Amino acid sequence: GQNIDQPTEMTATEGAIVQINCTYQTSGFNGLFWYQQHAGEAPTFLSYNVLDGLEEKGRFSSFLSRSKGYSYLLLKELQMKDSASYLCAVRGEAAGNKLTFGGGTRVLVKP
Amino acid sequence: DAGVTQSPTHLIKTRGQQVTLRCSPKSGHDTVSWYQQALGQGPQFIFQYYEEEERQRGNFPDRFSGHQFPNYSSELNVNALLLGDSALYLCASSLGGGLAYEQYFGPGTRLTVT
Repeated sequence: GQNIDQPTEMTATEGAIVQINCTYQTSGFNGLFWYQQHAGEAPTFLSYNVLDGLEEKGRFSSFLSRSKGYSYLLLKELQMKDSASYLCAVRGEAAGNKLTFGGGTRVLVKP
Repeated sequence: DAGVTQSPTHLIKTRGQQVTLRCSPKSGHDTVSWYQQALGQGPQFIFQYYEEEERQRGNFPDRFSGHQFPNYSSELNVNALLLGDSALYLCASSLGGGLAYEQYFGPGTRLTVT
């Protein structure tokens, strides 16, 4: 079966850094994704990791350790507009785009 | 370049009714996946269509069915609606039947079953 765990909610201050952890147990692994979803909107793609290590993209970075079944999303220099839900998702099969999502982490950025 | 579009935006149905939701993929994409997202939860995979066939399916009953047309657009049909079917239904498009890693999500259809 597939199991993706991430914290339900986090609060941080504008300008600070927040790290959202995600642990997973899946049958097979073919990539881990992070999506951002503002309330009432569609998820938007943030990052993709398939090999171990850190992927940096502007203020956002994502890390993967396949042996530990662990990933994190790092948000730097937080802005008010970063208040959203962040979804961790794993593609567990070699083919196809079926993504298994965690429940999402709601991040609230305070002034 | 049009992104993924879905219709309708909102829908209210009564228990036992049937509903059809529509999705047009991003230009150039040929694969459509459907997800159900209950309030406060992550999306749950329903099924994926590629080359007009259902290629993968999640843990959803047969009441959920779909179709893909030659122009790659897709429909999601839900029969005998239950209160628990109330959710945001998301369509995601990609290229190559799952070979590409990036999926683009549409804005979703909010279904309310009363």
